[in-house]
Amino acid sequence: EADIYQTPRYLVIGTGKKITLECSQTMGHDKMYWYQQDPGMELHLIHYSYGVNSTEKGDLSSESTVSRIRTEHFPLTLESARPSHTSQYLCASRGYEQFFGPGTRLTVL
Amino acid sequence: GQQVMQIPQYQHVQEGEDFTTYCNSSTTLSNIQWYKQRPGGHPVFLIQLVKSGEVKKQKRLTFQFGEAKKNSSLHITATQTTDVGTYFCAADDMRFGAGTRLTVKP
Repeated sequence: EADIYQTPRYLVIGTGKKITLECSQTMGHDKMYWYQQDPGMELHLIHYSYGVNSTEKGDLSSESTVSRIRTEHFPLTLESARPSHTSQYLCASRGYEQFFGPGTRLTVL
Repeated sequence: GQQVMQIPQYQHVQEGEDFTTYCNSSTTLSNIQWYKQRPGGHPVFLIQLVKSGEVKKQKRLTFQFGEAKKNSSLHITATQTTDVGTYFCAADDMRFGAGTRLTVKP
């Protein structure tokens, strides 16, 4: 089983709140990714990183930011949550294969 | 980023029938990966293809990478109810196809 963790697993918040979704991996992978996925739908790449101090925007990045200060940690921040952000957020890291975390299911009221 | 097109979007089969999903790219890929996601779960890595024309097998699953490295397929022989889920391909920059949702009727 892959050692990649996400917290919180579930989050219900009000509109306008600032939130940070945590992601950590203990595999020493340089490459890390954030995806947004509605149930049963495709994965949309939000941000990715190829190493410390390296971050790149994906397809849905305009309303969020990430940082990569340490190899093992890749948090995602939504500055002002909106109902349209309601979704599942999956973090992943990649060596030869890509391992996914269990996800954070976010509901914005 | 590059786009990977995956078809079909849905496939419903009778148990024992075969199933195939296809991925196509407009650009040459360095590699392609395949994942399976069970309902309520997260994607799980199945395999990575790197070489032109490569074919790999995992029990009833056969994976192919096209000669031009622009397309790939996943074929399941004699589907079982445990094969239910969504199958995704992912291009080398880790952008995923839309997925093929497979349902299997016992």
